[in-house]
Amino acid sequence: EIVLTQSPATLSLSPGERATFSCRASQSVSSYSLAWYQQKPGQAPRLLIYGTASRATGIPDRFSGGGSGTDFTLTISRLEPEDLAVYYCQQSGKSPGTFGPGTKVEIK
Amino acid sequence: QVQLQESGPGLVKPSQTLSLTCTVSGGSISSSGYYWSWIRQHPGKGLEWIGYISYTGSTYYNPSLKSRLTISVDTSKNQFSLKLTSVTAADTAVYYCARDMGAAAPFLVDCWGQGTLVTVSS
Repeated sequence: EIVLTQSPATLSLSPGERATFSCRASQSVSSYSLAWYQQKPGQAPRLLIYGTASRATGIPDRFSGGGSGTDFTLTISRLEPEDLAVYYCQQSGKSPGTFGPGTKVEIK
Repeated sequence: QVQLQESGPGLVKPSQTLSLTCTVSGGSISSSGYYWSWIRQHPGKGLEWIGYISYTGSTYYNPSLKSRLTISVDTSKNQFSLKLTSVTAADTAVYYCARDMGAAAPFLVDCWGQGTLVTVSS
């Protein structure tokens, strides 16, 4: 099973700041198989990014993804108050699709 | 727009069977290419893939749950279901049903139900 680790565990930033999250895999992940989800308080997760860098339908362009191999990143270029959430990376290339433990974004 | 809704008991006694149903609306569960999945989230924790089923009935089960797990589909009702036997407190979680992208991208979820909390307690 591929284990994903995410850092930092918590990120506290002000609106308008840039947020960068890291996701590291225990073994190489295909770039087609890395996704990011956003989970707002009390809600189900929502697909943000798939295939490392492709935005899902309706996701604003301030969200971007990148990386390769074992190291991937999610960036929010200008943080907005509604971005308060936990962000999970996921690999879907090897079964079972595993998720990272998440990075919590707090808005100052 | 496809919507998914979980239903089932919110409280299950230890050693009993947890049973949940997911009703799909706004689209057919028989749409080719999709897998219909169950994912759970322990309180305050991350996400764990339980398993999925295609409309033809082929399944994938997480090896950690396989011996206790059955996922089935009822295309006439546009529903799929989860049964987890011999539950313990460790099975307390929010259970989500979800649609994943199927053979083209298994384990990639593009649509989630709202989730239902199942507590295992006597």
